[in-house]
Amino acid sequence: DTEVTQTPKHLVMGMTNKKSLKCEQHMGHRAMYWYKQKAKKPPELMFVYSYEKLSINESVPSRFSPECPNSSLLNLHLHALQPEDSALYLCASSQLRSQINEKLFFGSGTQLSVL
Amino acid sequence: AQKITQTQPGMFVQEKEAVTLDCTYDTSDQSYGLFWYKQPSSGEMIFLIYQGSYDEQNATEGRYSLNFQKARKSANLVISASQLGDSAMYFCAMREGNAGGTSYGKLTFGQGTILTVHP
Repeated sequence: DTEVTQTPKHLVMGMTNKKSLKCEQHMGHRAMYWYKQKAKKPPELMFVYSYEKLSINESVPSRFSPECPNSSLLNLHLHALQPEDSALYLCASSQLRSQINEKLFFGSGTQLSVL
Repeated sequence: AQKITQTQPGMFVQEKEAVTLDCTYDTSDQSYGLFWYKQPSSGEMIFLIYQGSYDEQNATEGRYSLNFQKARKSANLVISASQLGDSAMYFCAMREGNAGGTSYGKLTFGQGTILTVHP
């Protein structure tokens, strides 16, 4: 079982809806990440939080709004999405030792469909 | 130019046979790390194995081993004794030592290889 838990597993939303994706980890990791993955493509980094502060934003449109309420939780707020935003959204965490061999632990993702 | 190249979109292997998934990389850094992840249809990315650029031995983790050829800039994954549960997408990824001043998070992934294990 993954130690990074994402909810919901599936989400269907209209372009005018507001929804949120949630991610939780209890491994004491201090870095958390959001990735977007299209079918049969590699994951693309969206955001990185380190010590609950946003440290990397990969020029993601403002209709995606991340939030890190505490070191265990990561949210992704969605508003006015487009159909092309339909994808698998993966959350990941890592210890944040800033070393080359630091591995990421991923959740199972939220499959998002925007109608 | 692609930093990580996986030239095999799909691979097939018979159960209990060994299979090699190819990965070549491009970097000018002396210090870098190479990772392999497995992604089954459930969606979760599962870490398999890591090789550091300064590691003298090829990494091994159970049935997984990494054939690291530094001069050729290749880091092929070898899965021995394939099992039906090995059917999945496999991604090779790299973290470079000077990734924008930080060494975390910035994994560059290849395009992936879909492995199908036949009974």
